Amino acid sequence: SQQGEEDPQALSIQEGENATMNCSYKTSINNLQWYRQNSGRGLVHLILIRSNEREKHSGRLRVTLDTSKKSSSLLITASRAADTASYFCATRGGTSYGKLTFGQGTILTVHP
Amino acid sequence: DTEVTQTPKHLVMGMTNKKSLKCEQHMGHRAMYWYKQKAKKPPELMFVYSYEKLSINESVPSRFSPECPNSSLLNLHLHALQPEDSALYLCASSPTATYNEQFFGPGTRLTVL
Repeated sequence: SQQGEEDPQALSIQEGENATMNCSYKTSINNLQWYRQNSGRGLVHLILIRSNEREKHSGRLRVTLDTSKKSSSLLITASRAADTASYFCATRGGTSYGKLTFGQGTILTVHP
Repeated sequence: DTEVTQTPKHLVMGMTNKKSLKCEQHMGHRAMYWYKQKAKKPPELMFVYSYEKLSINESVPSRFSPECPNSSLLNLHLHALQPEDSALYLCASSPTATYNEQFFGPGTRLTVL
């Protein structure tokens, strides 16, 4: 079964608004990553946060991690139509050699 | 070259056909992966190769047969597939299997009739 659960499943916003996606997981992790997937294409790595970090920024992206609640959030600020995509969190546990476990994903639609 | 390429982009096959998917990277990565992704679902790991050796098989049916002939190339041989095997098949690579970030190809859209 998939490690991560994400909500919302779908999010529709206007350009310029902020988008927040949440991810929960079940077991201990070394790190949590966020990937973006444009429709029917490959995934692109966005950002990684380690288990000993609480917050990380990269450009318009802000990721938080709460290991006590086993949850993470991805905030995209000042969204653009080009941000329209599916967003997945992915976790790696201590013994998961080479294995990423993906959450269910959030489909983000940004309307121009 | 900083990308993972996959061929073909689309593949339609019958249940009795034998076909192969190909994945290639020239980034010097020594770990390569196959994922299967159904519509509106997350990718699910199928196989992991590390230094050309199979290190993880996620209990994938034997009708899927992976092969890593060299450090740049990864194949997925398909035989006697079922319609439920229709999906997007994604290849990924990373410098090593313990490296966190994986680099994905665009995928092969497979339809089994």
